[in-house]
Amino acid sequence: EIVLTQSPGTLSLSPGERATLSCRASQSVSSNYLAWYQQKPGQAPRLLIYGASSRATGIPDRFSGSGSGTDFTLTISRLEPEDFAVYYCQQYGSSRTFGQGTKVEIK
Amino acid sequence: QVQLVQSGAEVKKPGASVKVSCKASGYTFTSYDINWVRQATGQGLEWMGWMNPNSGNTGYAQKFQGRITMTRNTSISTAYMELSSLRSEDTAVYYCARGPPTSQYFHHWGQGTLVTVSS
Repeated sequence: EIVLTQSPGTLSLSPGERATLSCRASQSVSSNYLAWYQQKPGQAPRLLIYGASSRATGIPDRFSGSGSGTDFTLTISRLEPEDFAVYYCQQYGSSRTFGQGTKVEIK
Repeated sequence: QVQLVQSGAEVKKPGASVKVSCKASGYTFTSYDINWVRQATGQGLEWMGWMNPNSGNTGYAQKFQGRITMTRNTSISTAYMELSSLRSEDTAVYYCARGPPTSQYFHHWGQGTLVTVSS
């Protein structure tokens, strides 16, 4: 099973700042089958990025994904108030697994 | 529009089973796999397994092998996830989710079903 490790656990930032979230896989993720989700309290996750770097429909361009192999990054260029949430990565190249999440909180 | 509507909250005793339903609408039910993901309170997402509604084929995460069964009723476009031998650690919100036809990320989610296991 591919284990995904996200860092940091919590990111404390102010609106307007840049957020950089990391997702590291225990082995290479085939075809860069890596997705990112945003989850707010009491809500289901929302797909942001798939294929490591493709934005899902309706996702603002301040969200971008990059990386390959075992190292992936989600970047939020300028944090909006609605971006403070928990973010999860998920690999779907070998079965499916999720990372443990990164909380982006208001500083 | 695509909708996945799940059954309501459940309270079960340890050792019992629970069956959660996920009714699909807005698309051809048999054309897209249904996956199940759970989330304990304050914890992360945990993938449980998938089912192909057309063939009925399933694949389960090793952790749940022997305790989980995914089925469907194509006549009413509904998928089911049954988990047996429940223990307190199974208390969680259970989600059904769907992605595109040839890939296994999830852009449609049900609203979640809270299952509480308590004596």
